[in-house]
Amino acid sequence: GAGVSQTPSNKVTEKGKYVELRCDPISGHTALYWYRQSLGQGPEFLIYFQGTGAADDSGLPNDRFFAVRPEGSVSTLKIQRTERGDSAVYLCASSPGRRTGELFFGEGSRLTVL
Amino acid sequence: KQEVTQIPAALSVPEGENLVLNCSFTDSAIYNLQWFRQDPGKGLTSLLLIQSSQREQTSGRLNASLDKSSGRSTLYIAASQPGDSATYLCAVLLGTGANNLFFGTGTRLTVIP
Repeated sequence: GAGVSQTPSNKVTEKGKYVELRCDPISGHTALYWYRQSLGQGPEFLIYFQGTGAADDSGLPNDRFFAVRPEGSVSTLKIQRTERGDSAVYLCASSPGRRTGELFFGEGSRLTVL
Repeated sequence: KQEVTQIPAALSVPEGENLVLNCSFTDSAIYNLQWFRQDPGKGLTSLLLIQSSQREQTSGRLNASLDKSSGRSTLYIAASQPGDSATYLCAVLLGTGANNLFFGTGTRLTVIP
């Protein structure tokens, strides 16, 4: 596609529920990142994929968070047993290659946990 | 851990003014620095990318400088326009091999017509 696409754009869920957020990167981009942005803050790194593998998942806050990219394109961020503190905008970004540094961001998925 | 600070947190200027946004970082061993723009409720748009070996980059009315040794970068916007109103974020990529960007908290710019 023309840009990074994220769905849903908004998700409201109840505490304890399971949530999946999807990211469709720019075609041909091998690097994919997930970031989380809380109100008034800059984005914080969650996980980085190079191809199909999670090359760096050091930013995932705990084991309730998991992400996959099975075919090296679309990625899904999965959050189990959601908590109110998980409420944030989840941003996905892609990049043409390893460590080019120039990231192209989607518009984010706003998650609200009631 | 890399700390990135942006001052001021918010800035209002009349249309037509030139302005400077500041970014400082604690670890000077960076690979590159990137400036982004974020409109309310939107994702981030890359404005300028400066490699660690470079001193500045220019794109239209925007000029970004990098002084790695002092841990500082500035984004200069010339002849500001109301359409420039947005939050501006700087982010650094470390030279350690880590793949994640460290972001500042941003400067919210309002250009008054």
